[in-house]
Amino acid sequence: SQQGEEDPQALSIQEGENATMNCSYKTSINNLQWYRQNSGRGLVHLILIRSNEREKHSGRLRVTLDTSKKSSSLLITASRAADTASYFCATGGGNKLTFGTGTQLKVEL
Amino acid sequence: DAGVTQSPTHLIKTRGQQVTLRCSPKSGHDTVSWYQQALGQGPQFIFQYYEEEERQRGNFPDRFSGHQFPNYSSELNVNALLLGDSALYLCASSLAGRVSGNTIYFGEGSWLTVV
Repeated sequence: SQQGEEDPQALSIQEGENATMNCSYKTSINNLQWYRQNSGRGLVHLILIRSNEREKHSGRLRVTLDTSKKSSSLLITASRAADTASYFCATGGGNKLTFGTGTQLKVEL
Repeated sequence: DAGVTQSPTHLIKTRGQQVTLRCSPKSGHDTVSWYQQALGQGPQFIFQYYEEEERQRGNFPDRFSGHQFPNYSSELNVNALLLGDSALYLCASSLAGRVSGNTIYFGEGSWLTVV
């Protein structure tokens, strides 16, 4: 079963704009991760935020975590066409991850 | 440094048949997990192998089985295929013992279509 859901399910923006996607989860966590998946391909790890962190940055990515609301957000700034992909949040440890349903991001020129 | 490699990339099987998918973990990794991703959904955990034994299992029937070899590579077997088994099957590897904050590497997946 899915841990939670990403919101929105689909997002279409223009190149240069910022993209924000949200993730909700159901159980207590030690950390939360975000992954990217190009169409029909493998998952690429983007960023991990620990439960005692509230915000984390990596390049154009900014992730926030609110454990009281059991939610996280991923912000991609100055989006590019190459950012077009599906984005998933995941919780869990070791190799056993529980993924959300994903946000399909389309960045148009 | 080779990442996680999976084979085959695509295959078509008939209902009732059996399929074997293969995975070689990233160099230096000893733990392999398998995920099933139906179209439009997030990946779902099938099971995890470490030291040639199944360590954890998700909510999948016994038709799904696996194996890990001494060189850490792994196979996923699915028997008595159903149409609903059509999905992208992803293999993931990591190094055991680094549970918290462990970066997991995924392969490109094997697309299985059951007709």
